[in-house]
Amino acid sequence: DVKVTQSSRYLVKRTGEKVFLECVQDMDHENMFWYRQDPGLGLRLIYFSYDVKMKEKGDIPEGYSVSREKKERFSLILESASTNQTSMYLCASRDIAGGSTDTQYFGPGTRLTVL
Amino acid sequence: TQLLEQSPQFLSIQEGENLTVYCNSSSVFSSLQWYRQEPGEGPVLLVTVVTGGEVKKLKRLTFQFGDARKDSSLHITAAQPGDTGLYLCAGEEETSGSRLTFGEGTQLTVNP
Repeated sequence: DVKVTQSSRYLVKRTGEKVFLECVQDMDHENMFWYRQDPGLGLRLIYFSYDVKMKEKGDIPEGYSVSREKKERFSLILESASTNQTSMYLCASRDIAGGSTDTQYFGPGTRLTVL
Repeated sequence: TQLLEQSPQFLSIQEGENLTVYCNSSSVFSSLQWYRQEPGEGPVLLVTVVTGGEVKKLKRLTFQFGDARKDSSLHITAAQPGDTGLYLCAGEEETSGSRLTFGEGTQLTVNP
């Protein structure tokens, strides 16, 4: 049974705090993604990674950074959390081989509230 | 700029009714995926369509990819309360690698 796990389901932080969101997948996938989901805006891509130590900016990278030191783990970092980063954060992974028919698997999400 | 537009954004119907959700774009996609998301969970893939004009059926759900591969539709026949959820379409452009672009989602509520 394939799995993408996220370190926390709910998180409450204060403005200015440094926040780490962890994601682990057990499918040996090369590609991993971080999205945020807000009502009426769908899923927006923050960062993605094609391989270990590689990262690419998505559509809304400002205020975020990422780390991929091991293939199975992709971390999202909020250097100085702000209230407009309150959102649902979703991690996903996908196999690079096989092209467009590969399934993208999502974690359960982390609902982050910044006060 | 939103590349994929979904409509309607909200849909509330009675059990037994039929419905269609649309996903439209000006871009051509090499594939288009439909996901369903329940509260507190991540999206789960329902289907992937890759060929223009392709139709796929999943029990009471029928998915169609437009001939020009710019749009797609999801039709549900005789909706049931268990169909309630957020439906998301996602397209993969040929030049985007494995990166998906998501629509805004359609929140479907099926009332008993």
